[in-house]
Amino acid sequence: EVQLVESGGGVVRPGGSLRLSCAASGFTFDDYGMSWVRQAPGKGLEWVSGINWNGGSTGYADSVKGRFTISRDNAKNSLYLQMNSLRAEDTALYHCARASYSHYYYGMDVWGQGTTVTVSS
Amino acid sequence: QSALTQPPSVSGSPGQSVTISCTGTSSDVGSYNRVSWYQQPPGTAPKLMIYEVSNRPSGVPDRFSGSKSGNTASLTISGLQAEDEADYYCSSYTSSSIVVFGGGTKLTVL
Repeated sequence: EVQLVESGGGVVRPGGSLRLSCAASGFTFDDYGMSWVRQAPGKGLEWVSGINWNGGSTGYADSVKGRFTISRDNAKNSLYLQMNSLRAEDTALYHCARASYSHYYYGMDVWGQGTTVTVSS
Repeated sequence: QSALTQPPSVSGSPGQSVTISCTGTSSDVGSYNRVSWYQQPPGTAPKLMIYEVSNRPSGVPDRFSGSKSGNTASLTISGLQAEDEADYYCSSYTSSSIVVFGGGTKLTVL
């Protein structure tokens, strides 16, 4: 079964850091681009960051550029999001999503259930 | 970068057709065919319904179709069914090498 499972969410104070992980299974991980997409409570989807199949190309939303870093370990079938200098507005459910082909700009055809990040003092 | 513009809500009766628009700019929707549409019923993860403007993944009913004209993409759902009630989001690749989503449209089946 094709599956993405996120972990690493939690409650953190403003200015703190968290590292999210996404474990992939059921498909050849290094064939696909990947993205992180978040959804604040009661709000719409926001694309956060993406990475192509070999990590050679990445992109970030302006709202997180310079604070978040996306990476992947194809040997471990895992995607990561290092989040630094966290703000209250980063509070959201963070989904890991697979692009339908090798670059992150392709439609996202597999989604995880998400991990919740809460930034609060 | 600005989000793509979608109507906040649309509605239709069973059997009817509805169209949801997604307006961007010449830097995103107008320049790339990397437009996708997602369906998200309450409390669930999004599901890809259309990719590259008008292509349906396997398993998506052919009642769902996508198109694009200029800077505006559209999702049309024909033969509306109760199970289609959900939030719908468009997305597009942009000239800044990022992806942007629309604000979302709530579809109500009357």
